[in-house]
Amino acid sequence: GAGVSQSPSNKVTEKGKDVELRCDPISGHTALYWYRQSLGQGLEFLIYFQGNSAPDKSGLPSDRFSAERTGGSVSTLTIQRTQQEDSAVYLCASSLYGRGVGETQYFGPGTRLLVL
Amino acid sequence: DQQVKQNSPSLSVQEGRISILNCDYTNSMFDYFLWYKKYPAEGPTFLISISSIKDKNEDGRFTVFLNKSAKHLSLHIVPSQPGDSAVYFCAARVGNTPLVFGKGTRLSVIA
Repeated sequence: GAGVSQSPSNKVTEKGKDVELRCDPISGHTALYWYRQSLGQGLEFLIYFQGNSAPDKSGLPSDRFSAERTGGSVSTLTIQRTQQEDSAVYLCASSLYGRGVGETQYFGPGTRLLVL
Repeated sequence: DQQVKQNSPSLSVQEGRISILNCDYTNSMFDYFLWYKKYPAEGPTFLISISSIKDKNEDGRFTVFLNKSAKHLSLHIVPSQPGDSAVYFCAARVGNTPLVFGKGTRLSVIA
């Protein structure tokens, strides 16, 4: 497809389990971002990948969160030992060149995570 | 500490009238501002942006105004259409740092 895709669209898990969320960015986009939107909140930055540079992990809320981007394309966000406060919509975005004036991020539809 | 604030969680406007969505920010170093629109079950889509060196940017029915002295940003939609009903997020950035988003304002355009 032409846009950013994410899977699964919905995920229900039990507290303490690990989950993996996948993002397929737009082909050719060098930058990839993960955000989280909790209920009633704005989008919260989690992590940013740009080309072969070291990722900006400054938004990850704890060491239970990690992300990889393989081959400069697909990314996986992993949450270990999930907690109820991890319940949120996890959004992935990509952009052609990355951060800078005029950069436009294109978002996927998100993965709705519910931790019981 | 919320750096980008959208103080109105919701707004209702009659079709054909002007919609004005407001955003206040606290960080005077922000140099780039954006508005995103989000429909239910979809990701946000970019709408319009403005650099801090400008005070107005217009794109069709959408105009963004920036008042740096007041640290205030607004989005005007004229005329409003039912398809504009969505959640609108204001976002801002300093240089190459991550975008900071507001909590959003839900706009309902009533036919």
